[in-house]
Amino acid sequence: DTAVSQTPKYLVTQMGNDKSIKCEQNLGHDTMYWYKQDSKKFLKIMFSYNNKELIINETVPNRFSPKSPDKAHLNLHINSLELGDSAVYFCASSPGHASYNEQFFGPGTRLTVL
Amino acid sequence: GNSVTQMEGPVTLSEEAFLTINCTYTATGYPSLFWYVQYPGEGLQLLLKATKADDKGSNKGFEATYRKETTSFHLEKGSVQVSDSAVYFCALSDFNAGNNRKLIWGLGTSLAVNP
Repeated sequence: DTAVSQTPKYLVTQMGNDKSIKCEQNLGHDTMYWYKQDSKKFLKIMFSYNNKELIINETVPNRFSPKSPDKAHLNLHINSLELGDSAVYFCASSPGHASYNEQFFGPGTRLTVL
Repeated sequence: GNSVTQMEGPVTLSEEAFLTINCTYTATGYPSLFWYVQYPGEGLQLLLKATKADDKGSNKGFEATYRKETTSFHLEKGSVQVSDSAVYFCALSDFNAGNNRKLIWGLGTSLAVNP
């Protein structure tokens, strides 16, 4: 049983397109996150939801819009894709929003913008 | 502000060598400290953590001790294996109200272990 799953695993698309990445966790956690990891492995928090409420909204272009339909799901929609959006996007979840909780990561979605 | 500094990689070792990856931090309050590991092609996973000064976290032969006097949380392993090849991330949290919702991440240190 996969704890945190993401779809798709790979996404190749053209500049200017709109795409979505989906995430689901079956751990019963209250909090979910989206991270971006660049080619140098630098990890940057983008968003976090706790019980469907947005609690972290870092400095991210407004082309990125998260949506949490329920506690178990967190999706990321990206409009007007740019070359610089190419990265690996990780979803994660944790039992609560306090940062001392262990975070459980999905396998990542490798986005390539051509 | 809070920050984490890790030694730059890549680190390349032979199997059975001793490993140290340095991590120092700057924080107000009383952070918890973490090491996460990312194996090739996978997401990160928690390797070990320590929640207060002088605590030692350990897992899979790795250890790290929370040193408040030197603001450090260095990762060590006595004898590395090829399967330890991965990227290692040091991270800290903070109990202070208003800023306890996200981890502060180091830049990651890549480790390659040769047979």
